[in-house]
Amino acid sequence: AQSVTQLGSHVSVSEGALVLLRCNYSSSVPPYLFWYVQYPNQGLQLLLKYTSAATLVKGINGFEAEFKKSETSFHLTKPSAHMSDAAEYFCAADTGGGNKLTFGTGTQLKVEL
Amino acid sequence: GAGVSQSPSNKVTEKGKDVELRCDPISGHTALYWYRQSLGQGLEFLIYFQGNSAPDKSGLPSDRFSAERTGGSVSTLTIQRTQQEDSAVYLCASSLYSSARSTDTQYFGPGTRLTVL
Repeated sequence: AQSVTQLGSHVSVSEGALVLLRCNYSSSVPPYLFWYVQYPNQGLQLLLKYTSAATLVKGINGFEAEFKKSETSFHLTKPSAHMSDAAEYFCAADTGGGNKLTFGTGTQLKVEL
Repeated sequence: GAGVSQSPSNKVTEKGKDVELRCDPISGHTALYWYRQSLGQGLEFLIYFQGNSAPDKSGLPSDRFSAERTGGSVSTLTIQRTQQEDSAVYLCASSLYSSARSTDTQYFGPGTRLTVL
C-alpha cells in the first residue's frame, strides 16, 4: 500500500531563510504527488502537483518541489520564507483507483522574525 | 465561481446522537471525496463518489458511518450513534475526474468540525 512520510512534524525558519519540507513516498510505481497547505480553521489548498510531466514543479506563492525517483522523494522548497507562509503543509500521493489521496502526517511550519 | 462548501461549519453533539454533514461540490465536478482529519490519525480517506455511486467505501471506519450523493451533486455524510472518537474535522473535496488515472486536482472545502461530548 502506498504510504507518505513527512519528516519533521514541526519546522521553524527565520523570515527570509530557505524553507525545506521533506516528503518521501513508498511505491514501486511513481504516483502522482501533491503538496497542500492548510491555514488555521481552513480547508486544504493545493500548492503544486507532480504528474510526471516535469520533475521540477513550480507552485503558488513561490513554492516548488522536485520529484526524485531514485530517492522516492518530493521535497517542498521556497527560497525565502515569509511570515504568511506559517501554516501546516501536507504531502499526498495518488496512485490511481479513484484518485483517493494518501496523506502524510503534516508539517507545521513556523516563521520567526 | 464558488468553491466546495460544507455545512455546518461546527457541530457539537451528545454521544449517541446521529449527525448529518453536508457537502456542496464545485458545479460540474463528478467526483466527490470525504476525508477525516483528527489529532491521532491525521488525514484519512473515508469514501469516494463518482456521480451518485460510491466505488470506494474502504475508509469508512464502521457501519455507523454512511454517505450518499444525490443528483450527482450534494453529498451527506451521516454518523449514527456518535462516539467521542468520532470527534474530528470532516473534509469534503471534489474534482472533475475524467479518467482512471486522472490527475485532476481535488479542491477541498473548509470542513465541518464535529465535537462529540
